[in-house]
Amino acid sequence: ELKVEQNPLFLSMQEGKNYTIYCNYSTTSDRLYWYRQDPGKSLESLFVLLSNGAVKQEGRLMASLDTKARLSTLHITAAVHDLSATYFCAGDSGGGADGLTFGKGTHLIIQP
Amino acid sequence: DSGVTQTPKHLITATGQRVTLRCSPRSGDLSVYWYQQSLDQGLQFLIQYYNGEERAKGNILERFSAQQFPDLHSELNLSSLELGDSALYFCASSPWRDSYEQYFGPGTRLTVT
Repeated sequence: ELKVEQNPLFLSMQEGKNYTIYCNYSTTSDRLYWYRQDPGKSLESLFVLLSNGAVKQEGRLMASLDTKARLSTLHITAAVHDLSATYFCAGDSGGGADGLTFGKGTHLIIQP
Repeated sequence: DSGVTQTPKHLITATGQRVTLRCSPRSGDLSVYWYQQSLDQGLQFLIQYYNGEERAKGNILERFSAQQFPDLHSELNLSSLELGDSALYFCASSPWRDSYEQYFGPGTRLTVT
């Protein structure tokens, strides 16, 4: 059974700083996903990482995947207040079936 | 806007009651997933349907059931409701059976009093 752990679960940081959210998973995951959720809102897909060594970047966010270490990271560069949200990573061990297994989420607050 | 619609947006009901949540997937998407998000359990996969047939089950209680209709919309039925069923219920859709992209709807917030 796939288990996904994120850390930290809560992060308060200042604008302009860099930080990384870590996502470890327990067994083979076909794909690794990152989602963003604003309070009371739906999940917005940020990245889907399909293979070992995959790196994707969008604006100030960059995600990477190391399947050997069973680790994905979400790096935030020069944080801005608008990036305040909860970030989830999720794994997919069923080739599209069995749904996604989510981590508990990282609640990120970026202060001016 | 993902193109996935869910109704109602909010639902308040009493313990012991039964409710139905509705989801319309993106146009052309054949696969529908249901997820529950609660403070206690986090985000959990409940069930998946593909082109009208159940494909996978997650942590779905026996009191809950779902179906997907010929027009591909899906309904999640929750019965004998308990306080702990209060949560945000999301539907997601994807184009085909093994597609890796899931597009999430806005969710239905269920409050059981």
